[in-house]
Amino acid sequence: EAQVTQNPRYLITVTGKKLTVTCSQNMNHEYMSWYRQDPGLGLRQIYYSMNVEVTDKGDVPEGYKVSRKEKRNFPLILESPSPNQTSLYFCASSPDRADTQYFGPGTRLTVL
Amino acid sequence: KQEVTQIPAALSVPEGENLVLNCSFTDSAIYNLQWFRQDPGKGLTSLLLIQSSQREQTSGRLNASLDKSSGRSTLYIAASQPGDSATYLCAVYGNKLVFGAGTILRVKS
Repeated sequence: EAQVTQNPRYLITVTGKKLTVTCSQNMNHEYMSWYRQDPGLGLRQIYYSMNVEVTDKGDVPEGYKVSRKEKRNFPLILESPSPNQTSLYFCASSPDRADTQYFGPGTRLTVL
Repeated sequence: KQEVTQIPAALSVPEGENLVLNCSFTDSAIYNLQWFRQDPGKGLTSLLLIQSSQREQTSGRLNASLDKSSGRSTLYIAASQPGDSATYLCAVYGNKLVFGAGTILRVKS
């Protein structure tokens, strides 16, 4: 089944404790991206990757890191999480940046 | 800076009614517009993608139109069903994908 998977789905952590949210797609897509969704602010792009080893900042990159060492994986790294990073995070992929986006199920992160 | 607005913010209709969701955007220099559905606790599912050169797209009971010059798109849902209850998001792609805040739809049986 063609899909985007994210892990974990739910995470409660404390300020400053490094964490990684994994994202994997099995559709051989070139383009992958991370979004956060907050009430009243909608979906905002954090980082995106046009293809392997090529990443760039989205609208709200501060406090986040990404890497794209393989086409199928695009992990989101929070080196020192803070409470303002409490949010619902989505990974997405598409054949090309202007194509239909396929979203993962989301990761609900709470930083205490 | 592209801004995407969706009206209404919430809508409640009886089953069987035809309905229209609206999306407007400020910068008409776009490649495409996408409509998504988001169910509670789940990710987004793409419903329709309209290229900038197209006027509309249809999928089953859904029809989306695009008027790039006026910066507007509508999503028409025919014969609504309780299973259509969800949040509907539109997103425009210019140099990046920009989302609207969504319309929360409730279809009552």
